[in-house]
Amino acid sequence: QVQLVESGGGLVKPGGSLRLSCAASGFTFSDFYMSWIRQAPGKGLEWLSYISSSGGTIYYADSMKGRFTISRDNAKNSLYLQMNSLRAEDTAVYYCASFMGDLYYWGQGTLVTVSS
Amino acid sequence: QLVLTQSPSASASLGASVKLTCTLSSGHSTYAIAWHQQHPEKGPRYLMKLNSDGSHPKGDGIPDRFLGSSSGAERYLTISSLQSEDEADYYCQTWATGFWVFGGGTKLTVL
Repeated sequence: QVQLVESGGGLVKPGGSLRLSCAASGFTFSDFYMSWIRQAPGKGLEWLSYISSSGGTIYYADSMKGRFTISRDNAKNSLYLQMNSLRAEDTAVYYCASFMGDLYYWGQGTLVTVSS
Repeated sequence: QLVLTQSPSASASLGASVKLTCTLSSGHSTYAIAWHQQHPEKGPRYLMKLNSDGSHPKGDGIPDRFLGSSSGAERYLTISSLQSEDEADYYCQTWATGFWVFGGGTKLTVL
């Protein structure tokens, strides 16, 4: 069955960096667009970025531009999010999602805590 | 500006039906949306894509009790024969080239 498994979260100090990964299985990864979405504690869902199936098209939410970088490796069925200059307000559960047409799948998330 | 508006909360009795609403901002009434369900401390689950014509292809394993419908800029999610496990947050989402947007979510309480 379809699985998206995020990893790489943890506790990081303000100004630090983290690289999140999302391992995909159960579907043809290279056919799907991929996205990162986050959810701060007690808050709603916030879209961060998406990347096309080939990786050739990338978009970011305005608030993420310059600090976060999305990438993918279709040979490894993996999606990544490089996060730099982290702030307390980046504390959230980070989800990856895959989508193509009417198909849409979510991972279970990885928690990122930014605190000194 | 593309914005989705949802009521913060809704409630209905066990076995009854409930209709959740997601409203597209002015000028965007033809946009499709997606509905997602999220239980506490869990990742979201895709329910369906809801088109402006009311067609709503569903995600894997979504029961027939979950139905989508559209009217103008309104997008609806109707859940019938409510069960305790339907108590969750429900988010609508839409997209345009270059960005996605989520509604603020509706917390559904099953009484």
